[in-house]
Amino acid sequence: SQQGEEDPQALSIQEGENATMNCSYKTSINNLQWYRQNSGRGLVHLILIRSNEREKHSGRLRVTLDTSKKSSSLLITASRAADTASYFCATDRDRDDKIIFGKGTRLHILP
Amino acid sequence: KAGVTQTPRYLIKTRGQQVTLSCSPISGHRSVSWYQQTPGQGLQFLFEYFSETQRNKGNFPGRFSGRQFSNSRSEMNVSTLELGDSALYLCASSWGTVVGGTEAFFGQGTRLTVV
Repeated sequence: SQQGEEDPQALSIQEGENATMNCSYKTSINNLQWYRQNSGRGLVHLILIRSNEREKHSGRLRVTLDTSKKSSSLLITASRAADTASYFCATDRDRDDKIIFGKGTRLHILP
Repeated sequence: KAGVTQTPRYLIKTRGQQVTLSCSPISGHRSVSWYQQTPGQGLQFLFEYFSETQRNKGNFPGRFSGRQFSNSRSEMNVSTLELGDSALYLCASSWGTVVGGTEAFFGQGTRLTVV
């Protein structure tokens, strides 16, 4: 079964608004990564957060990690049309080093 | 700097056949990892190779195998193809291991259709 579950499954917002996606996981992890995928193409790495970190920023991206709740959030500020894509979280389970992806959030930025 | 190259981009095979997919990593990267993406199961980790050694493996049957050469290029083989193997197969390369948290760079994928 999937380790990560993104929430919501789909999200449509107006250009310029902020988009927030959540990821929950089931077992202890070493790190969590967020990826973007455009139209069934290859994934693009966005940001990595380690289990001992609580928040990271990269440009318009802000990621938080709450290990006590086994959840992470990805915030994209001032959204643009180019942000339209699917976003996945991926966790690295510490018990067996397997990479587990969530089902993804489909983000659509409306003009 | 050239990105990750996967060949072929599209492939149609018949049930029972076998297939080999190729991945050329970014120059200098020693890790290659493979993933399967389907509408039903989503993205699933297949395996990762680092310096020609398989470092970890996902929950896939033995029909799925791989190898990495001394130049870090990697191949993935699927034997006795089943209809359910139809998927987008992605490979990624990284300087260190993906499970160690190193940023992975993905190729565009090989779209395999089994008929």
